[in-house]
Parts: sequence; structure tokens; C-alpha cells
Amino acid sequence: GAGVSQSPSNKVTEKGKDVELRCDPISGHTALYWYRQSLGQGLEFLIYFQGNSAPDKSGLPSDRFSAERTGGSVSTLTIQRTQQEDSAVYLCASSLAPAGRSAQGELFFGEGSRLTVL
Amino acid sequence: GQQLNQSPQSMFIQEGEDVSMNCTSSSIFNTWLWYKQDPGEGPVLLIALYKAGELTSNGRLTAQFGITRKDSFLNISASIPSDVGIYFCAGQRGGGADGLTFGKGTHLIIQP
Repeated sequence: GAGVSQSPSNKVTEKGKDVELRCDPISGHTALYWYRQSLGQGLEFLIYFQGNSAPDKSGLPSDRFSAERTGGSVSTLTIQRTQQEDSAVYLCASSLAPAGRSAQGELFFGEGSRLTVL
Repeated sequence: GQQLNQSPQSMFIQEGEDVSMNCTSSSIFNTWLWYKQDPGEGPVLLIALYKAGELTSNGRLTAQFGITRKDSFLNISASIPSDVGIYFCAGQRGGGADGLTFGKGTHLIIQP
């Protein structure tokens, strides 16, 4: 597709269950980012993938969070044993090149996956 | 981590009014970006600034990269109903996600 695609758009789960969120970046974009947006808050960085390099996982809030990017394209964010505080909108973004001093680093966001943990 | 102070947190204005919002940081950034987020959507890039002192316009929007590289502002002239949304500033220090920091957003509400 033309833009960043995320699924599901909405997910309601029970506390303690595992969830998987999927991101399909813009074709050809080498950089992929996951952010979390809680109600009324800004964007909290979670994890960053760039090409074949080891991902930057410095933003993951706990070891219940993990992410993979297969074949340099689609990414899956997994949250294990979900807690109520995990409820948020999870946004994926991609860019043509690493974020930096050029337009190629500009991030394009998907519409997000809204997660509600009951 | 890095902190961006974005203000105001929210704005209630009348249609046709001009709007101004800004971001400040204690650290230097090499790039400033302004995004807008509509309800149920992801943020969309409005303006990107790459040089200190740069002033860039995009229609009714004008943004500037502060000369100290620690601040940026966004102005919207003659606001219209579709300007409603949340505006985020973002600063980049360098390559990769570690150099990208977002403000907490300015929620713009236009009263009829």
C-alpha cells in the first residue's frame, strides 16, 4: 500500500493475555519505529529497526515487550501478560533512511493500534 | 531521556484567529519537525526545519528553527475548523531513534 498499515486497529483483551500488533511499513523504507501514545500524552519511543542492524530496544518499558522485523519489512510488536497500564495507542512509523538531517529521515506514521486491557 | 517542553498544552480559540505554539529544550537539536494528529489517525508531518534560523511556510503554517537550536515555534494564521487536532513538535539530534524526541502536544480546539 501507499502508507504505513497497522493491524488490528482496535484490540480489547483481558489482563494477563498476550497480544500481537502488526506493522507493514511503506515499501522501500529501511527504518521502522514503534511508539506508544497514552491518553493525553506525547509519543513514547519503544523500539527502532534500521536495515539489518541490531534493533535499538532502549525504549521498551519491560521484558514483557518485544518486537521483531522479518525480512526487513513487516514488524510485530508483542506484549506478553498484558497489564491495564499497557492500554494505549501503539503507533508504527517508517522512514526511507535513518532519522537525521534530510527529508529521507522524515517519519510516516500509521493510524495506530488502540489496545485496551480490561 | 530528552525532554521537550511544548506549550501551550491546549488552546481554545475562535475561527479566524491566529495560533502560536512553541517547543523548548535544554539540549541542542539538528532538526525540528512539526506534526499534526487528527482523532483516530497517526501524526502527519507538517513542516521540517534543518537549519538554525530557518523560517519555513506551508500555506497558513509558518515554523521557525530557533537560532540557539534549542527551540522552535509554529504559527497558524486565520484558523479554520479543520485545524482542530493535536500538534506535536519533535527534535532530532542525529541519526536513528535515539536522537528523536517528541513534545507532549498542543491540543487545538476551535470554538464556533
